[in-house]
Amino acid sequence: AQSVTQLDSHVSVSEGTPVLLRCNYSSSYSPSLFWYVQHPNKGLQLLLKYTSAATLVKGINGFEAEFKKSETSFHLTKPSAHMSDAAEYFCVAVNSGYSTLTFGKGTMLLVSP
Amino acid sequence: KAGVTQTPRYLIKTRGQQVTLSCSPISGHRSVSWYQQTPGQGLQFLFEYFSETQRNKGNFPGRFSGRQFSNSRSEMNVSTLELGDSALYLCASSLPELGQGRKTGELFFGEGSRLTVL
Repeated sequence: AQSVTQLDSHVSVSEGTPVLLRCNYSSSYSPSLFWYVQHPNKGLQLLLKYTSAATLVKGINGFEAEFKKSETSFHLTKPSAHMSDAAEYFCVAVNSGYSTLTFGKGTMLLVSP
Repeated sequence: KAGVTQTPRYLIKTRGQQVTLSCSPISGHRSVSWYQQTPGQGLQFLFEYFSETQRNKGNFPGRFSGRQFSNSRSEMNVSTLELGDSALYLCASSLPELGQGRKTGELFFGEGSRLTVL
């Protein structure tokens, strides 16, 4: 069975400091992995995706994530947080058969001035 | 290109009533899935429709149902509402399939319908 674990339910950073949101996955195969962002009272928006090409994936708004098979991780990073980054972030895995999606429980990113 | 449209955006119902929520996917998207989002349970998958057929169903009681029309628009219905049904209901459509039901994994979400049950 496939599972996605987001290691932190909340992460607090100051504006201008780096962001790290952690995601580990468990799967019998190398899944395709995604990060989505949800701003308050909005739907989810795709940030970036990994589909077995380059292991370092760049997304929108300066975010990037690195797929590390040895660590079964897909952590999301950004060099410098902006106030507008405050939102909830979801790590998602698609299994090798591309038939089911598994969502992590989300990480709320809080950015203080 | 218009995004995923969900109506109504907000609604208030009382226990025992029923509700119908609507979702219009992005033009050309044939797969529509529904999710319930609550602070306690997070995002939970309700069901998925593809070409008017329910393809997957989450672990929800039979009070939750849905359908998809020939133009790919989808509706979900919740009957005999309970207080615990208060949630944000999200609809997502996805790009054409890769073949044999294989998903791209890339979902396009609407802004949701926020249901409050009193």
